[in-house]
Amino acid sequence: DAGITQSPRYKITETGRQVTLMCHQTWSHSYMFWYRQDLGHGLRLIYYSAAADITDKGEVPDGYVVSRSKTENFPLTLESATRSQTSVYFCASSETFHQPQHFGDGTRLSIL
Amino acid sequence: GQNIDQPTEMTATEGAIVQINCTYQTSGFNGLFWYQQHAGEAPTFLSYNVLDGLEEKGRFSSFLSRSKGYSYLLLKELQMKDSASYLCAVRSPLKNNDYKLSFGAGTTVTVRA
Repeated sequence: DAGITQSPRYKITETGRQVTLMCHQTWSHSYMFWYRQDLGHGLRLIYYSAAADITDKGEVPDGYVVSRSKTENFPLTLESATRSQTSVYFCASSETFHQPQHFGDGTRLSIL
Repeated sequence: GQNIDQPTEMTATEGAIVQINCTYQTSGFNGLFWYQQHAGEAPTFLSYNVLDGLEEKGRFSSFLSRSKGYSYLLLKELQMKDSASYLCAVRSPLKNNDYKLSFGAGTTVTVRA
């Protein structure tokens, strides 16, 4: 089925480790986004991408790296995980910036 | 900066009406979205307002007043399945002709029998 999928759904890792969260969409949407959701903060934009090979920082980019070599994939990497990065991470996509964003089911990441 | 405020929690009875308010102060404005998020699930799009006035979509309606920086989401004929968090999100311009969505912290609505 068409849609947006994230993997893994759950991840536990240790501080200092590198971890990559995957996001794949089948709609060929141009725009893709990464958010983190923490209690009391709502969803906060980490990075976004307007097209393949075009990425830009959001509100809270520090400690994260993204790439977009193909339109359908937008992986998010925590280069050296810290406890403050424990969160639920959502990937989203939209056809244009003016269309509603469609969200994946999220990755629940715990850093011990 | 962006400031989007909505109540943390609301409780209502099945069959009743609930109104969730959202006030915002943002650097620029290009539309307001409402999303529904059930516990442990992804946010799903409910409604969009860019001009002042009321948008109706079945049991859900959303209102916008740009001059007041104010919106509300109205849920009518509440059902148990409407128990969820409702997120208010404002779209505002970024550099490079891009836009971003800034989200409120969400309002958890509990529907009681």
